[in-house]
Order: sequence, then C-alpha cells, then structure tokens
Amino acid sequence: NAGVTQTPKFRILKIGQSMTLQCTQDMNHNYMYWYRQDPGMGLKLIYYSVGAGITDKGEVPNGYNVSRSTTEDFPLRLELAAPSQTSVYFCASSSGTSGGPSEQYFGPGTRLTVT
Amino acid sequence: AQSVTQLDSQVPVFEEAPVELRCNYSSSVSVYLFWYVQYPNQGLQLLLKYLSGSTLVKGINGFEAEFNKSQTSFHLRKPSVHISDTAEYFCAVSDLSGSARQLTFGSGTQLTVLP
Repeated sequence: NAGVTQTPKFRILKIGQSMTLQCTQDMNHNYMYWYRQDPGMGLKLIYYSVGAGITDKGEVPNGYNVSRSTTEDFPLRLELAAPSQTSVYFCASSSGTSGGPSEQYFGPGTRLTVT
Repeated sequence: AQSVTQLDSQVPVFEEAPVELRCNYSSSVSVYLFWYVQYPNQGLQLLLKYLSGSTLVKGINGFEAEFNKSQTSFHLRKPSVHISDTAEYFCAVSDLSGSARQLTFGSGTQLTVLP
C-alpha cells in the first residue's frame, strides 16, 4: 500500500491564482481530512469527509473548497490564493470504524507559498 | 468544545537522558487521546493512543504516556532518548460527539536530542 499520497510536494503561487492540491488514499478509508500547519500553531482542520459525496467544514474553511467523488480522492481547491494561505497542507484518512476513533494516516504534505 | 495545551514549545535534552513532554486537555465529555510524531519534512505518525482501560499506554520507539483524568493530562515519557528521537511531537484529542472522529491538535513540542 502507498498509503496517503499528496501532489505536488511544493508550489509557489501568485496572489489571486488558483490551484488544486491532490490527495489519494489506497486503504479504502471512509474518512478523509485536510489540515493546514502553520509554525507554532499545530494542525488546523480545513475540511473533512465521511464518505464519497459527503463533505463538511472544519475549523478554518474560508478560502478553500473540496469535493469527494470517489472513496480514494479528496482534492482541496484554492480559488483566489492569498498570502495568508502560505502553509504546509496535510491530507489524512482513517477507517472511521465504530467504537472509537481510529488512527489517522497522514500524507507527506504540500508546502505552499503565496507571494 | 475541546482544546489541547502543550506546555513546552521546545525541549532540549541530552542523549540517553529521560524526557517528559507535557499535554493537558479540556473537554466536557469523555475523550480519546493521541500522541503523534513528525520527523523533519514528513507527515505525522501515530506514537500511541488512549481509548480506554489501563491509564498507562505504551507506544512505538519506547515511548509511553499516562492518562490522568483528574488532572486532565496525558504526558509523554521516554526513559532514555536517542538522537533519532529528535522531532516534533503533537498531542491530540478526540471525542465521539462529532460524526467524523475529528482530532484537535496541540501546538506541538520540538524535542531536540543533543549528543
């Protein structure tokens, strides 16, 4: 299993540009998540999905959009990039079995700079 | 709402010395607790988790943590650290009130092991 993969690894965007961060998991997990990590701030949840066709906002959703058309893929879209979106973005997935939270598996991250 | 406080942002320690990384949480309901480790330029990996049962939890790489409900703490310990333990460590909490088993992360503790 490749686990959770993310592309690209690095990206520099100009203010106002758009891009999509790709995330794919091959573990047949129902739950998927997008986080951003800023220095000294830990990870903040942007969006999450509990299954194909179902998405919901996390703690910091403004400026982002997601879709979940398949179990495997959970892309994150930035429509009008702003300097405040400079961050490292992590995608994660979990099986979400009943009886308690299961481990979240993280991708290697995408380092995004907006200038 | 729940929150996680990691009391030390940086912890330097000499090789083979013991270490404790502190984590306190606040929540109005029963919680599940996790420690994740992030090596440089990588995603997060699960170190250990507390769901129920024994309050002393053993994880990978010789780490352990103790859940203390009265003090709302989940401190991480290792009796003898190695250079390879240098990484950032995140404490996280989850409860069953949300449908997606969301995690709330602390701001992280950078552990630096000195030769």
